[in-house]
Amino acid sequence: ELKVEQNPLFLSMQEGKNYTIYCNYSTTSDRLYWYRQDPGKSLESLFVLLSNGAVKQEGRLMASLDTKARLSTLHITAAVHDLSATYFCAVVSSGTYKYIFGTGTRLKVLA
Amino acid sequence: DTEVTQTPKHLVMGMTNKKSLKCEQHMGHRAMYWYKQKAKKPPELMFVYSYEKLSINESVPSRFSPECPNSSLLNLHLHALQPEDSALYLCASSQVPGGGVGTNYGYTFGSGTRLTVV
Repeated sequence: ELKVEQNPLFLSMQEGKNYTIYCNYSTTSDRLYWYRQDPGKSLESLFVLLSNGAVKQEGRLMASLDTKARLSTLHITAAVHDLSATYFCAVVSSGTYKYIFGTGTRLKVLA
Repeated sequence: DTEVTQTPKHLVMGMTNKKSLKCEQHMGHRAMYWYKQKAKKPPELMFVYSYEKLSINESVPSRFSPECPNSSLLNLHLHALQPEDSALYLCASSQVPGGGVGTNYGYTFGSGTRLTVV
């Protein structure tokens, strides 16, 4: 059974600091997604990573994928308050249509 | 149109009521999904429809009954729900089951229906 774990689960950081969120998954997958969710809202797609070594950047966020290690990272550079949200990674299990979300990381950026 | 539209946005229902959630997309996507999300938890997959046929039911209780009348529409019929069924219900679609081709491999999520069972 595909399991997707993120760490940390909670992250409180000062504005201007850098930090990395990790996403580990347990079985083979050929694509990984990152989403942002604000309280009470739906999911906003951030990145789609399709191959080993893929790196995508948008503003202060950069995501990477290592399929051999079954690991993706979401790096936050010089955090700002507007980045406060919950971030989920999600993986499609190869050979199925199951799209499984990670445990989520609740990020709070303090001014 | 690049959206998934869910109605209603909010729903309060009694345990003896029958109600339905509606989800619509006009992107030509051939896979549609229902997810349930409790507060501070990740979304949990409930059902997958692939080319209008139910392909995955994640052991969801029969008080939830999905329906896909055509390729653009997905319903979730609710009957005799329990208070613990209160949650955010998210609909999503993708080009094909598991993702898609081209520049958008991702799933498109609707804004959700906030369901409260009293």
